[in-house]
Amino acid sequence: GDSVTQMEGPVTLSEEAFLTINCTYTATGYPSLFWYVQYPGEGLQLLLKATKADDKGSNKGFEATYRKETTSFHLEKGSVQVSDSAVYFCALVVAENFNKFYFGSGTKLNVKP
Amino acid sequence: DAGITQSPRHKVTETGTPVTLRCHQTENHRYMYWYRQDPGHGLRLIHYSYGVKDTDKGEVSDGYSVSRSKTEDFLLTLESATSSQTSVYFCAISEGGQPAQYFGPGTRLTVT
Repeated sequence: GDSVTQMEGPVTLSEEAFLTINCTYTATGYPSLFWYVQYPGEGLQLLLKATKADDKGSNKGFEATYRKETTSFHLEKGSVQVSDSAVYFCALVVAENFNKFYFGSGTKLNVKP
Repeated sequence: DAGITQSPRHKVTETGTPVTLRCHQTENHRYMYWYRQDPGHGLRLIHYSYGVKDTDKGEVSDGYSVSRSKTEDFLLTLESATSSQTSVYFCAISEGGQPAQYFGPGTRLTVT
C-alpha cells in the first residue's frame, strides 16, 4: 500500500544550522509529494510540493527533491531561524485518487537562538 | 491563504453527548475533508465530500457522521462523544483534480 515514513523528532538545532528532515515513501501509483508545516496552535500549511520525479520544490529557503530511485523527498534548509520552529509533515497522494492523502507522523523542529 | 474557518475552535463536552463541528469555505472548492490529529498518528482521514450531498468514509469513520447541504459547509457530527474522540480536528479543501489540500485552523475537542 501507499505510505510515508519520516524521521522521528524532535530535532533540535542552533540558529543558522543546516536542516535535513528525512522522508521516504511507498506508492503503488505515481505520487505527488508534499511538505506541510504546522506552527503551534495552527493548521497545516502547504510548504512545497513536487509532482514528478527529479522535480525540486522550494519555498521560504526550504527545498526538497523528488527522488524516484531512492523513493525519498528529504526536506532541507541551509540556515534555519528560530521562526522555523514547527512540526513538519511529509505527505503523498497518487494520481489515481487525489482524495487519499497519506501523511507521515510529523517531525518537530526546535531552533535555539 | 485559503478561506477556511472552523467552529467552534475549542469545545469541552461530556461523554455521551452529541457534538457538531462546522467547516466553512469561501473558495467554492468541490472537495472537503475532515481529519483528526493525535500524537504519534499524524493526520487520519475521517470522512470526505466530493460534492453537495456526496460523502464517503475515511480510515477512522466509526462514531462520526458528516453532512454537506451546501458547497461551502461541511459538518462533522460525533453521535455520542467518547473520551477516545478527544483530539484536534482539521478541515481541509481541495480543487478537483489538483493534488494539494488546504487546511483550516483546527478545533480542539475534549470529551470528559
